[in-house]
Amino acid sequence: AQSVSQHNHHVILSEAASLELGCNYSYGGTVNLFWYVQYPGQHLQLLLKYFSGDPLVKGIKGFEAEFIKSKFSFNLRKPSVQWSDTAEYFCAVEQRSNYQLIWGAGTKLIIKP
Amino acid sequence: ETGVTQSPTHLIKTRGQQVTLRCSSQSGHNTVSWYQQALGQGPQFIFQYYREEENGRGNFPPRFSGLQFPNYSSELNVNALELDDSALYLCASSLAGTGIGELFFGEGSRLTVL
Repeated sequence: AQSVSQHNHHVILSEAASLELGCNYSYGGTVNLFWYVQYPGQHLQLLLKYFSGDPLVKGIKGFEAEFIKSKFSFNLRKPSVQWSDTAEYFCAVEQRSNYQLIWGAGTKLIIKP
Repeated sequence: ETGVTQSPTHLIKTRGQQVTLRCSSQSGHNTVSWYQQALGQGPQFIFQYYREEENGRGNFPPRFSGLQFPNYSSELNVNALELDDSALYLCASSLAGTGIGELFFGEGSRLTVL
């Protein structure tokens, strides 16, 4: 069965540190890729997405992600995190064959002020 | 605010009972998806409705069923509740017909089955 793996369940960083959250998927076909974020007490919202073209995509709040097809990866990065980035981050992969969205288990990110 | 509203926000049921969860999609969105999110896990796709018809389903038994109405609002029904059905149920709306694209989520309905 297709799956999405997020390598770290919890990450704790200090403000201004650099961030990289890993995401790998197992599906071999064509995919659309997403990162969603859930801030404390809020609903899930889209951070960024990749459908085609430049594999380096930029999202809101200074986040970016790189799609590496050969590694089946879509890692999320931010050069300098802020306390307000404290949230849970989910990677999701949409299989274009059936448009079903498969989600990772999420990474809880805590930024220490 | 996404404009997607779900009700009720919390509910408690006992094993064997039936539950109906409701979702109003964002204005103009014609597609609604339902997800189950157990504690400590990512959302799991239950099914998707487009123009009042189910057009995609995840690995959930038939006792999970749904409806979409002409105004694109939707219901999720779960019969013969089991303890493992305890979870946050998320509704998401989108504009895409056959592709999911960007999803707009509601706050969720937290179901506890005792």
